[in-house]
Amino acid sequence: DAKTTQPTSMDCAEGRAANLPCNHSTISGNEYVYWYRQIHSQGPQYIIHGLKNNETNEMASLIITEDRKSSTLILPHATLRDTAVYYCIVRQHAGNNRKLIWGLGTSLAVNP
Amino acid sequence: NAGVTQTPKFRILKIGQSMTLQCTQDMNHNYMYWYRQDPGMGLKLIYYSVGAGITDKGEVPNGYNVSRSTTEDFPLRLELAAPSQTSVYFCASSYSRVMGVGNEQFFGPGTRLTVL
Repeated sequence: DAKTTQPTSMDCAEGRAANLPCNHSTISGNEYVYWYRQIHSQGPQYIIHGLKNNETNEMASLIITEDRKSSTLILPHATLRDTAVYYCIVRQHAGNNRKLIWGLGTSLAVNP
Repeated sequence: NAGVTQTPKFRILKIGQSMTLQCTQDMNHNYMYWYRQDPGMGLKLIYYSVGAGITDKGEVPNGYNVSRSTTEDFPLRLELAAPSQTSVYFCASSYSRVMGVGNEQFFGPGTRLTVL
């Protein structure tokens, strides 16, 4: 299974862009990169996912390098409510297997 | 839609007691999952189900049992509670797509369980 590496913690000023990196150097060709976040004491929340192209939705943008060995989640205008733990996950792919392997994530603190 | 609901929100058990954590989703999702999250850690998969009547073990199934008699419900059973099962339990569901293109999981609010 492909593993991911993320910084333990990051800080960001309110209103600025938050760029959260993730390394997944052992990713295989059919594995997707998923991002979730978990606000304190709540269930995780899906943010975005991608295979090889950059993706954008109402919450964030996902930039995946051409070799797919790393990616960056971008929150364009961080707010205090974006303070959370952000998980980068490479989805295990084996037939009907839909399991996600969760690491420790990056704790993002958005400061006023 | 209520999404994924879990009951109870909190529970304290004594060692050796049993309980069932309830999980219901109203999104007609065929996949459902149970995770546990210990303090400061990521989520670990306990059991999952790909549809009514079908369940399979995840990473940490020991000490737990599940059943899936309907699409909506996926209860998690603890038969003999142990202190090591003190954790926050999350239920999730997702919609399976044939080519596996994106199946984001929707999570419930969690059940905080303490075993003393």
